[in-house]
Amino acid sequence: EAQVTQNPRYLITVTGKKLTVTCSQNMNHEYMSWYRQDPGLGLRQIYYSMNVEVTDKGDVPEGYKVSRKEKRNFPLILESPSPNQTSLYFCASSPQTLAGEQYFGPGTRLTVT
Amino acid sequence: EDKVVQSPLSLVVHEGDTVTLNCSYEVTNFRSLLWYKQEKKAPTFLFMLTSSGIEKKSGRLSSILDKKELFSILNITATQTGDSAIYLCAVVTGTASKLTFGTGTRLQVTL
Repeated sequence: EAQVTQNPRYLITVTGKKLTVTCSQNMNHEYMSWYRQDPGLGLRQIYYSMNVEVTDKGDVPEGYKVSRKEKRNFPLILESPSPNQTSLYFCASSPQTLAGEQYFGPGTRLTVT
Repeated sequence: EDKVVQSPLSLVVHEGDTVTLNCSYEVTNFRSLLWYKQEKKAPTFLFMLTSSGIEKKSGRLSSILDKKELFSILNITATQTGDSAIYLCAVVTGTASKLTFGTGTRLQVTL
């Protein structure tokens, strides 16, 4: 089944404890992206990648890192999480190099205490 | 700074009504405009619009883009309770595919 998977789906952690949220797609898509969704602020792009080893900042990259070593995987790394990173995170991929129709993962609910 | 504004913020209609959702934008280097529907969790794709004046249709949903006036509308005719969702508009900009989303319109369709 064509899909985007994210793990974990739910995570409660403490301030400063490094964490990684994995994202994987099995559709051979070029473009992948991370978003966070907060009430009243909508979806905001964190980072995106147009291809392997090509990543760029979205609107809210501070406090996050990404890597794209393989086409299928695009992990989101929080080196030192803070409470203001408590949010719902979505990974998405698109078959085009440019962002177009995107397939979203199921979301990761992160709480940082 | 790129801006995408959706209106109304929320809307309650009766089943069978027709609704029009609005999305206006002020961005640099526009590439395309996307509409998504978000029900419980992950958004699902509805339309991608790149050219002015060409209507995209899918069943009871349709959308059109006006690149001169910098807006798009999403129409839903003969609404059903299954149309209840948040509708998101996003604009793709730049040479490298940055996306900016609006905050969404929450639509509730009642019986």
